[in-house]
Amino acid sequence: DAKTTQPTSMDCAEGRAANLPCNHSTISGNEYVYWYRQIHSQGPQYIIHGLKNNETNEMASLIITEDRKSSTLILPHATLRDTAVYYCIVSPIDDYKLSFGAGTTVTVRA
Amino acid sequence: EPEVTQTPSHQVTQMGQEVILRCVPISNHLYFYWYRQILGQKVEFLVSFYNNEISEKSEIFDDQFSVERPDGSNFTLKIRSTKLEDSAMYFCASRRGLAGTDTQYFGPGTRLTVL
Repeated sequence: DAKTTQPTSMDCAEGRAANLPCNHSTISGNEYVYWYRQIHSQGPQYIIHGLKNNETNEMASLIITEDRKSSTLILPHATLRDTAVYYCIVSPIDDYKLSFGAGTTVTVRA
Repeated sequence: EPEVTQTPSHQVTQMGQEVILRCVPISNHLYFYWYRQILGQKVEFLVSFYNNEISEKSEIFDDQFSVERPDGSNFTLKIRSTKLEDSAMYFCASRRGLAGTDTQYFGPGTRLTVL
């Protein structure tokens, strides 16, 4: 029942920007886009979230298309420690659980 | 930076035994969650808890599971009679307030192994 579609895997070069796409064509007006990542078997780590405006924090930028049907997470300068599974999740304001899909396995190569 | 903590990091138990997994959420957070992840599979929602009661639970969270906030700091998950298929990583998460304006922060997890 995942509401998002992400590539299964992607590689990127250390020091370069990593652009992770996510499709959420059925997103509703009250749903936010959340990004988490999971390094090996550690607990999911929050990265960023947004509703319709682009967002930036110390970890990443989130670009949401105007129609809100897709988004891109940008890691500006990928490092080896950014190797992880990245999850794009849409969640309504009044729904308290997060529904994880399979995510994108990102491998940063030196 | 405040973080969610979980103990133990690894729990090994015999099938049929009771286990209690413990979590200390971030101190000013009001919403608490348990998730699990069977090896090689997705992270799955188990239960959410707010104002001393369950807000929502998944189909996985059957009568063998219970949650409790016994004091002002701990949040526990009890499995009454463990099965082999309960072997998984169990993650606790907490959130401060209204969904959309903040988000869930996860602990490092407890690896439960049922023999």
